[in-house]
Amino acid sequence: AQSVSQHNHHVILSEAASLELGCNYSYGGTVNLFWYVQYPGQHLQLLLKYFSGDPLVKGIKGFEAEFIKSKFSFNLRKPSVQWSDTAEYFCAVQLGGKLIFGQGTELSVKP
Amino acid sequence: DGGITQSPKYLFRKEGQNVTLSCEQNLNHDAMYWYRQDPGQGLRLIYYSQIVNDFQKGDIAEGYSVSREKKESFPLTVTSAQKNPTAFYLCASIDRDRGYGYTFGSGTRLTVV
Repeated sequence: AQSVSQHNHHVILSEAASLELGCNYSYGGTVNLFWYVQYPGQHLQLLLKYFSGDPLVKGIKGFEAEFIKSKFSFNLRKPSVQWSDTAEYFCAVQLGGKLIFGQGTELSVKP
Repeated sequence: DGGITQSPKYLFRKEGQNVTLSCEQNLNHDAMYWYRQDPGQGLRLIYYSQIVNDFQKGDIAEGYSVSREKKESFPLTVTSAQKNPTAFYLCASIDRDRGYGYTFGSGTRLTVV
């Protein structure tokens, strides 16, 4: 079955630390890839998306992600996190008409 | 402003009762989705509909039912057959003509006692 795996359930960082959240998917065909963020008590918001072209995608709030087809990965990065980045982050893969989410990674940034 | 409206925000029901969650969108999106969010499990797809009068089961459809009689509306019924209905339910829609941008509602937290 197609699946999306996020390796870290909970990440704790200090402000200004670098962030990398892993995401792998198990589907060999063409996929569209997304990262969403859910701040405490708020809606899911789109951080960035990849459909085709440059595998390094830049999103909002300084986030970026790199699509590595050979590794079936779409890892999220940010060079320097802020306390306001504390949230839950979801990787998602679109297969046909379905959007399949990973389990989510909770990020806590200590001031 | 266009968006997705889910109501109510909080819902309490007694065990054994069916309950219907509302999802309305004024975005003119063709496709609509229902997800269930549980801690540590991410969002799991319950049902989705790509056009009016048509819908497909997602990964965890058992104990749920939907209808899509109008483009704007995609209600979800949590039946008494759903063994663990207490959860946070999210509705989403998609604009296929504008780069597959998904829009999410604010969710309904259902508690069954």
